[in-house]
Amino acid sequence: AQSVTQLGSHVSVSEGALVLLRCNYSSSVPPYLFWYVQYPNQGLQLLLKYTSAATLVKGINGFEAEFKKSETSFHLTKPSAHMSDAAEYFCAVSDLEKLTFGTGTRLTIIP
Amino acid sequence: EAQVTQNPRYLITVTGKKLTVTCSQNMNHEYMSWYRQDPGLGLRQIYYSMNVEVTDKGDVPEGYKVSRKEKRNFPLILESPSPNQTSLYFCASSFRGGFNNEQFFGPGTRLTVL
Repeated sequence: AQSVTQLGSHVSVSEGALVLLRCNYSSSVPPYLFWYVQYPNQGLQLLLKYTSAATLVKGINGFEAEFKKSETSFHLTKPSAHMSDAAEYFCAVSDLEKLTFGTGTRLTIIP
Repeated sequence: EAQVTQNPRYLITVTGKKLTVTCSQNMNHEYMSWYRQDPGLGLRQIYYSMNVEVTDKGDVPEGYKVSRKEKRNFPLILESPSPNQTSLYFCASSFRGGFNNEQFFGPGTRLTVL
């Protein structure tokens, strides 16, 4: 079965600092990987997805993620945090029937 | 506007009182799914549907029912709700199932069962 593990349930960064949210995956086949963001009292919104076309994937709002097969990782980064980035972030891996989500990382931005 | 809608957004009910949470999408998507979100557990799939009249169990189907009579609608039914079904529920849809399964999510339904 495929799975993802998100390291760190809470991450705090200062405004303007680098954002790094970690995700490691386990998959018996080449994975399709996703990052979703959930703003307070809202549904999930797709940030970006990896589908094997390129290892560095750019998403919305300045986020990007790099697929590293040797490390089984798909970490999410943003060079400079903004207050509006405060949200919960979910990494997910896809199989034929569903998305399997990690437990989420809540990102807090310190002014 | 392309969207997934859920109703109601908030619901407080009592143990054993049947309820239905509706989900509708206007994107002509074949695939629809229900998830529940609980603190520390992320989102877990309850049921999914690959197309009309085709439904199957996800990871946590106990206590839930679904139907897919029309392409756009995928209601979630709790015939005898219990307090352990208190949760935040999300409906999602995508063009079709499969590995490249980019899903669009509804705004969520917060259910409390007393």
